[in-house]
Amino acid sequence: NAGVTQTPKFRVLKTGQSMTLLCAQDMNHEYMYWYRQDPGMGLRLIHYSVGEGTTAKGEVPDGYNVSRLKKQNFLLGLESAAPSQTSVYFCASSPDRGPLRPQHFGDGTRLSIL
Amino acid sequence: DQQVKQNSPSLSVQEGRISILNCDYTNSMFDYFLWYKKYPAEGPTFLISISSIKDKNEDGRFTVFLNKSAKHLSLHIVPSQPGDSAVYFCAASDNQGGKLIFGQGTELSVKP
Repeated sequence: NAGVTQTPKFRVLKTGQSMTLLCAQDMNHEYMYWYRQDPGMGLRLIHYSVGEGTTAKGEVPDGYNVSRLKKQNFLLGLESAAPSQTSVYFCASSPDRGPLRPQHFGDGTRLSIL
Repeated sequence: DQQVKQNSPSLSVQEGRISILNCDYTNSMFDYFLWYKKYPAEGPTFLISISSIKDKNEDGRFTVFLNKSAKHLSLHIVPSQPGDSAVYFCAASDNQGGKLIFGQGTELSVKP
């Protein structure tokens, strides 16, 4: 019973490098989300998707791109990593937009940009 | 501008006593509120929720109270157990696309 799986769990990058974080869910959920968690800031929404082939901006989208080519996968890309993007990244999914429908989270990707 | 605020970064409680975690919000369009619990190196997990048509929702040891006029909600845990030690996040939604706005979190420590 995997739920939401994030790959990789840890990564260290140099400034200017690019990388892609992968999120996969096996619950057939329509909605998927990418958050970042920073000390004293809680979780902030980066981008989200309301279905296969769709993406939308959240609170802090700058410096990130996303794609949802398959319903079960949601990719987060950093084209040119910056130290300010050092954070813990969480992916989440939910079955629909119902406001009290809990989002199911992965265990996070810890990313350090040197 | 922080629309959802948890002003206590940490809280320490004795096992068996009540834990009260507080959350304030500024956006009057928020109608739905959720609490998540997070252990180290894991993702947040859903705990309990409430909509603005209610002022209280209870689930076992967990109760959430909502005071809409004060834009304040609180999570009560009775009795507190050592396994409740975690970071608790308050989140709010205005039902726009399922998006949630999270508070900064409160780290609860329950001492045996």
